[in-house]
Amino acid sequence: EAQVTQNPRYLITVTGKKLTVTCSQNMNHEYMSWYRQDPGLGLRQIYYSMNVEVTDKGDVPEGYKVSRKEKRNFPLILESPSPNQTSLYFCASSLVGIDTEAFFGQGTRLTVV
Amino acid sequence: QKEVEQNSGPLSVPEGAIASLNCTYSDRGSQSFFWYRQYSGKSPELIMFIYSNGDKEDGRFTAQLNKASQYVSLLIRDSQPSDSATYLCAVNVWGNMLTFGGGTRLMVKP
Repeated sequence: EAQVTQNPRYLITVTGKKLTVTCSQNMNHEYMSWYRQDPGLGLRQIYYSMNVEVTDKGDVPEGYKVSRKEKRNFPLILESPSPNQTSLYFCASSLVGIDTEAFFGQGTRLTVV
Repeated sequence: QKEVEQNSGPLSVPEGAIASLNCTYSDRGSQSFFWYRQYSGKSPELIMFIYSNGDKEDGRFTAQLNKASQYVSLLIRDSQPSDSATYLCAVNVWGNMLTFGGGTRLMVKP
């Protein structure tokens, strides 16, 4: 089954404790991205990647890191999480760039206390 | 001014009616326009995309794009209670980024 898989689905952590949210797609898509979704603010793009070893900042990259060592994986790293990073996070992938349909993962609800 | 704007709603329509959802965007150079549907607690899923001025129809859904006026709309004919969801407009505002509007919550009442 074609899908984008995020883990974990739910995470509660403490301020400053490094964490990684994994994202994997099995569709051989080139483009992958991370979004956060907050009430009243909608989906905002954090980082995106056009292909392996190519990543770029989105609208809200502060406090986040990403890497794209393999085509299928695009982990989101929070080196020192803060409470304002409490949000619902979505990973998405597209076949080629953003002009094609984005397939979203199930979402990760992160709470930083 | 937000780059992609939608009325947050809720937009309430009776079952069987036409629901009209609107989205305006700020960058005249935008080329790609998408409508995603998001049920409560779920991930967004693509309904339609449109690249050229005019109408594009797919079943009960019609996307309309007017680049001169910088708006894109989604019409849902014969609205069903199962259409109740938040509808997200997404636009390639610049570069390789996709910018989403805040979404319009649609409620279809039986």
